[in-house]
Amino acid sequence: DQQVKQNSPSLSVQEGRISILNCDYTNSMFDYFLWYKKYPAEGPTFLISISSIKDKNEDGRFTVFLNKSAKHLSLHIVPSQPGDSAVYFCAAKGYGGATNKLIFGTGTLLAVQP
Amino acid sequence: SQTIHQWPATLVQPVGSPLSLECTVEGTSNPNLYWYRQAAGRGLQLLFYSVGIGQISSEVPQNLSASRPQDRQFILSSKKLLLSDSGFYLCAWRHGPNTEAFFGQGTRLTVV
Repeated sequence: DQQVKQNSPSLSVQEGRISILNCDYTNSMFDYFLWYKKYPAEGPTFLISISSIKDKNEDGRFTVFLNKSAKHLSLHIVPSQPGDSAVYFCAAKGYGGATNKLIFGTGTLLAVQP
Repeated sequence: SQTIHQWPATLVQPVGSPLSLECTVEGTSNPNLYWYRQAAGRGLQLLFYSVGIGQISSEVPQNLSASRPQDRQFILSSKKLLLSDSGFYLCAWRHGPNTEAFFGQGTRLTVV
């Protein structure tokens, strides 16, 4: 049962344009979400997070939007740079007795073309 | 500052051999600790997590086990490896539920 889904396995964007990465989740009890970036053969690095009490959080070129009614979040990268090419994972914090769990999606490979 | 160490970086093991991967965290106390696996072309699958010494939660029935003998040490083990255990194993830590997790550099395990 994939509770956090990233339905686009890959995305290609031109340098300087906006990259939009999407993530859907199934459980309305999730209340904290994160985005990570991962290069091959390395551990993921944290990018940005958002609590369910907000619908937007911004950090430099990265903005995360949360639509609770649609159980959907997205990561916007503006402007996109070649160094942004990596796999991006969204993650959700567990709830109830599992608040210490961190559940990841399947990832989206972003390729930023020069 | 906090750092996380995971070793070895790569490992090639024959089927049926044992496994021990170690992860240690420095610069913090009582972290939540995690083991994830990334199989080829797949996402990050949570294998185990621990909120304290000796406390292990297992997420997926499998050929692996985890232990936390010390506050900042997390070990992933297997008595007999299977081909399907091949993958990229990642250790991570975080302070608590509403915080980000920090990952180690990962171990590429190939079972042959």
